[in-house]
Amino acid sequence: GAGVSQSPRYKVTKRGQDVALRCDPISGHVSLYWYRQALGQGPEFLTYFNYEAQQDKSGLPNDRFSAERPEGSISTLTIQRTEQRDSAMYRCASSSTGTHTGELFFGEGSRLTVL
Amino acid sequence: EDKVVQSPLSLVVHEGDTVTLNCSYEVTNFRSLLWYKQEKKAPTFLFMLTSSGIEKKSGRLSSILDKKELFSILNITATQTGDSAVYLCAVEYLIQGAQKLVFGQGTRLTINP
Repeated sequence: GAGVSQSPRYKVTKRGQDVALRCDPISGHVSLYWYRQALGQGPEFLTYFNYEAQQDKSGLPNDRFSAERPEGSISTLTIQRTEQRDSAMYRCASSSTGTHTGELFFGEGSRLTVL
Repeated sequence: EDKVVQSPLSLVVHEGDTVTLNCSYEVTNFRSLLWYKQEKKAPTFLFMLTSSGIEKKSGRLSSILDKKELFSILNITATQTGDSAVYLCAVEYLIQGAQKLVFGQGTRLTINP
């Protein structure tokens, strides 16, 4: 696609429900990143992939969070048993390079609200 | 602990003024520093800096990196209301062979007409 596409753009869910956030990166981009951004803060790293391999998941807050990119393209970030503190903007970004970050292209984000 | 700190956190100036935004970092195995502009939607890329003392310039925006003192500045001259945004600094570095990209908290710049 022309840019990084994320869905849903907005998600409101009740505490305890599972949510899945999708990211469709720019076609051919090697690296895919997930960030979480609270209001007034910079993006906080969660995890990233080179192709289908998850290179680093050290930023995932706990084991309720997981991510996959099975075919090296679309990625899904899953949050199980959501809690109110999970409410945030979740941003995906992709990069054409795998060995040097270079320019990241960000999607418009998925805003998650947990009631 | 590795970190990226931006200052000021917030800045309000009048149209036409010149502003300087700061980004300092403490990381090991530094690779690059990037500046992004974030308006209402997604952050958009401005500059990537890897070498000290070489100014990158794009129109009224310019940036430079000092790898000895571990900081970068982003200058905007003759500011316009359209420059109002959050400016994010990010540092790429290696840790245990894996690359990481860490963002600062951003500087919220407001340009008043």
